[in-house]
Amino acid sequence: QSVLTQPPSASGTPGQRVTISCSGSSSNIGTNYVYWYQQLPGTAPKLLIYRNNQRPSGVPDRFSGSVSGTSASLAISGLRSEDEADYYCAAWDDSLSGPVFGGGTKLTVL
Amino acid sequence: EVQLVESGGALVKPGGSLRLSCAASGFSFSHACMTWVRQAPGKGLEWVGRIKSKTDGGTTDYAAPVKGRFTISRDDSKNTLYLQMNSLKTDDTAVYFCTTDPYYGDPDAFHIWGQGAMVTVSS
Repeated sequence: QSVLTQPPSASGTPGQRVTISCSGSSSNIGTNYVYWYQQLPGTAPKLLIYRNNQRPSGVPDRFSGSVSGTSASLAISGLRSEDEADYYCAAWDDSLSGPVFGGGTKLTVL
Repeated sequence: EVQLVESGGALVKPGGSLRLSCAASGFSFSHACMTWVRQAPGKGLEWVGRIKSKTDGGTTDYAAPVKGRFTISRDDSKNTLYLQMNSLKTDDTAVYFCTTDPYYGDPDAFHIWGQGAMVTVSS
């Protein structure tokens, strides 16, 4: 059972906009930054979004992050086949004194 | 090129010990907060622990499941991070990644990752 809750799966067709949610609490998302990672099969995770809505250099602007209260969302617009991957949210948790991850969402591009 | 390379993964019996290494290059290792994250087969990501830079105190923090059994250390002269794992359990079976953020000074932004080292705990 992960501290941050994500839907196990999501899907969309090429060109579509997809949103992945991440639900937490006042001890994590409610008071600390949210990060999003993309993991392709058999590879290490890749940082997609840091500090709620910032994109590292090289990450397309099709990816965007937002936070509202104790929930966060990752939006992917103009969906492409290469976006098919697992996506994880993360945030520092003040109660656990460490970062916590969501359980991951497997995105399928139909 | 900014790079992290883990080594030392192996098959270990329950109760055994193992030390992983993570060799860093292409950035100022001594100034970086370094983190270990693991991923059990078919499962999600789990934070293991971290070590701050010496300028930030060099302190360590650990996740509850590994506290008292795992020790994170660093050798800045060798640009190398270590994870000493003792009293290993079958639940510790996972790919272990070292990670850091050399760009934004954000210890919680895991920007650079190694390729991972597989640790299998089984009799």
